[in-house]
Amino acid sequence: EAGVVQSPRYKIIEKKQPVAFWCNPISGHNTLYWYLQNLGQGPELLIRYENEEAVDDSQLPKDRFSAERLKGVDSTLKIQPAELGDSAVYLCASSAGTGARGGELFFGEGSRLTVL
Amino acid sequence: QKEVEQDPGPLSVPEGAIVSLNCTYSNSAFQYFMWYRQYSRKGPELLMYTYSSGNKEDGRFTAQVDKSSKYISLFIRDSQPSDSATYLCAMTPYNFNKFYFGSGTKLNVKP
Repeated sequence: EAGVVQSPRYKIIEKKQPVAFWCNPISGHNTLYWYLQNLGQGPELLIRYENEEAVDDSQLPKDRFSAERLKGVDSTLKIQPAELGDSAVYLCASSAGTGARGGELFFGEGSRLTVL
Repeated sequence: QKEVEQDPGPLSVPEGAIVSLNCTYSNSAFQYFMWYRQYSRKGPELLMYTYSSGNKEDGRFTAQVDKSSKYISLFIRDSQPSDSATYLCAMTPYNFNKFYFGSGTKLNVKP
């Protein structure tokens, strides 16, 4: 079974440029998460989707960040314009979202962003 | 104050040592407690999963939860160089609506 797939793995851009990250979750997983992980820190939630609906985007900086999950499968996270402080790893995760196993998050390898 | 506190380490031990990793938390609503392992430049992967208080053992790994003290632990017996990674604790309320992660403890097991 394929895991969570993210692209690109690495991205280097200049500040004020736009950037987009793509995530393909595990087949059948209705719940999809985007997390931000700074160096030496744990993942912090940006947005959580249940199917197509963003059910928790309270931590998403909406002035520059946007996300979508069309058809309840793949998702994209966009930053426009990027700032120096956005340099971090952007992790996508998915889960079955039901019962006790809803607690198991499956993470992708992350997209590492460097803003110069 | 963060909801989950975790000593960042780094922790360096010789091969074969017993390792103890810990987290404390403040939210009594947390019901599910997890440990994730994250290798360098990889995403976290679930290692152990415990509901409420008690112990759970899986091979060389033992997870303990003490809800009265709001304290969780992960023990690694007979540690191996392949255990070298960052260990993240995580916890969530019963409805899984949000996961709270510790900052991670970096472990280095020396051959």
